[in-house]
Amino acid sequence: KQEVTQIPAALSVPEGENLVLNCSFTDSAIYNLQWFRQDPGKGLTSLLLIQSSQREQTSGRLNASLDKSSGRSTLYIAASQPGDSATYLCAEGKTSYDKVIFGPGTSLSVIP
Amino acid sequence: NAGVMQNPRHLVRRRGQEARLRCSPMKGHSHVYWYRQLPEEGLKFMVYLQKENIIDESGMPKERFSAEFPKEGPSILRIQQVVRGDSAAYFCASSPPAMNTEAFFGQGTRLTVV
Repeated sequence: KQEVTQIPAALSVPEGENLVLNCSFTDSAIYNLQWFRQDPGKGLTSLLLIQSSQREQTSGRLNASLDKSSGRSTLYIAASQPGDSATYLCAEGKTSYDKVIFGPGTSLSVIP
Repeated sequence: NAGVMQNPRHLVRRRGQEARLRCSPMKGHSHVYWYRQLPEEGLKFMVYLQKENIIDESGMPKERFSAEFPKEGPSILRIQQVVRGDSAAYFCASSPPAMNTEAFFGQGTRLTVV
């Protein structure tokens, strides 16, 4: 059974701090892993997509890594800003055509 | 190229009524996925469709829920005889028929059953 978990469930940090969000998955036959951002009452914004053949992806202040052997992915946010406050979801794809399994999310608050 | 379009953004239905949620995938995308986000819960897969075919409906409730993706027009998620427990945000995603691609999500339809 595919299962995706995220730690911590909630995180509050002062502005400017670097932080790491963790995602774990149980299915080693992962095809890709995607990180999303969801603002309250809003839709999903795709942040980064890592294929199973890749180790990491970077976009601006965001860096996502993938370690298939340990079943883990991390999202690193550098120099956090209040505008980064949102819920961050990781999602595992088993094939390029299959459904995506979401983690429960990490709720991030960046305090000015 | 507009993103994935969902409408309506907000929908209020009385118990027992029908709810119809629409999703227009991005241009060139032939794969559509529906997800549901219940209050205080994570996103759960419901159904995966290609044009005129349901590929995987393992996440769909057995009764009252149906989905279609016709040859022409948007994908429709239909909920008959809605109950308060159906109140949730329903998200649609689409992807192209190609390898190594990501799914793009719409803004969601927030259904409230009163």
